[in-house]
Amino acid sequence: KAGVTQTPRYLIKTRGQQVTLSCSPISGHRSVSWYQQTPGQGLQFLFEYFSETQRNKGNFPGRFSGRQFSNSRSEMNVSTLELGDSALYLCASSLGVRIHQETQYFGPGTRLLVL
Amino acid sequence: QQQVKQSPQSLIVQKGGISIINCAYENTAFDYFPWYQQFPGKGPALLIAIRPDVSEKKEGRFTISFNKSAKQFSLHIMDSQPGDSATYFCAASDDGGSQGNLIFGKGTKLSVKP
Repeated sequence: KAGVTQTPRYLIKTRGQQVTLSCSPISGHRSVSWYQQTPGQGLQFLFEYFSETQRNKGNFPGRFSGRQFSNSRSEMNVSTLELGDSALYLCASSLGVRIHQETQYFGPGTRLLVL
Repeated sequence: QQQVKQSPQSLIVQKGGISIINCAYENTAFDYFPWYQQFPGKGPALLIAIRPDVSEKKEGRFTISFNKSAKQFSLHIMDSQPGDSATYFCAASDDGGSQGNLIFGKGTKLSVKP
């Protein structure tokens, strides 16, 4: 089975711009979670989608949003980029039956640099 | 508020030695404690996980010890190898909870010297 894929892998943007990141989960997985990874804060939960519905949201400003499509693929969007948004954005997929205790399979991430 | 505290931040171990990473949590509603391993340029991958109804779980050279009363759990890597050099994250989650998804510790960078 193919793993979780994320596109693009690298991205450079300037402050004030917006960005859209894409995630394709493992075939058959219905849940997708997004995390932000930075050296200072570590891995922080952004949001989780299941069957096209946002099921949980972390403590991030409204500039961070996401959605999930009927094929379970997910996108996240960050508007009005700030320097502090520079991070590795990780997507993880799981079956979604019992989300909090299932193995989450992470993609390689999208590294975003905001200049 | 950091809900999962991980130590040490970095660890250097000789090949064949034992690597020990510790985590402490605050929320007694946490009921699933996985450890993830991350190599440079890769996403984290599940290494081993434990639930609070057992005090220890072993998979090959990797063992989780869990102390519910102390709200602590640790990862032991026996016979550490250079290929184990990676960053290790402990995590916790609360089934059906309001905490979001996995809450991660800040990670431990392990270097195993040959």
